[in-house]
Amino acid sequence: AQSVTQLGSHVSVSEGALVLLRCNYSSSVPPYLFWYVQYPNQGLQLLLKYTTGATLVKGINGFEAEFKKSETSFHLTKPSAHMSDAAEYFCAVRGGNEKLTFGTGTRLTIIP
Amino acid sequence: SQTIHQWPATLVQPVGSPLSLECTVEGTSNPNLYWYRQAAGRGLQLLFYSVGIGQISSEVPQNLSASRPQDRQFILSSKKLLLSDSGFYLCAWSAPGQANYGYTFGSGTRLTVV
Repeated sequence: AQSVTQLGSHVSVSEGALVLLRCNYSSSVPPYLFWYVQYPNQGLQLLLKYTTGATLVKGINGFEAEFKKSETSFHLTKPSAHMSDAAEYFCAVRGGNEKLTFGTGTRLTIIP
Repeated sequence: SQTIHQWPATLVQPVGSPLSLECTVEGTSNPNLYWYRQAAGRGLQLLFYSVGIGQISSEVPQNLSASRPQDRQFILSSKKLLLSDSGFYLCAWSAPGQANYGYTFGSGTRLTVV
């Protein structure tokens, strides 16, 4: 079985400040981990993913995430927030059964 | 390249009316297909998934049904809509046997039952 916990359903940061969205996972097999972004009334778009290899992965729009096996975490970061980053972000884990399990999402608000 | 189409984009339906939402995938064969629902303020709920024509698995009991009449077509239906069926419906596909890839989502359908 696999699960994802996203800490903080709402996060607000000032424009130009660090963005940190937290994700912890549970998986009985080596996981594949994903971050998706959803803008209002749109589908989900893949931001980045970890499968194997380098634990720090870079994605689109300046986001990156680090896979930490010992902490079972896959936190999403961006050094400097931009107004266009306002959206909902979903962390997901995929295990051996090939179905993605999503977290409940974090709504990111950028304060001008 | 692969694309996924979902329609309509928005729909307002009265309680008790039928529903049909369609999703098609192009540029791939034998995809795994998924229907999700997002209710206001809630996360993604997997409703149905399909690994082949006529093969449908339901994740939660509900007022909805799904069908896959063709390899790349996935339909979400209801005979009589309830107010609680309102939400944002998302279709997605994935390539079988490629767990290192995520899902690709359609643009969604906003359903309001009145």
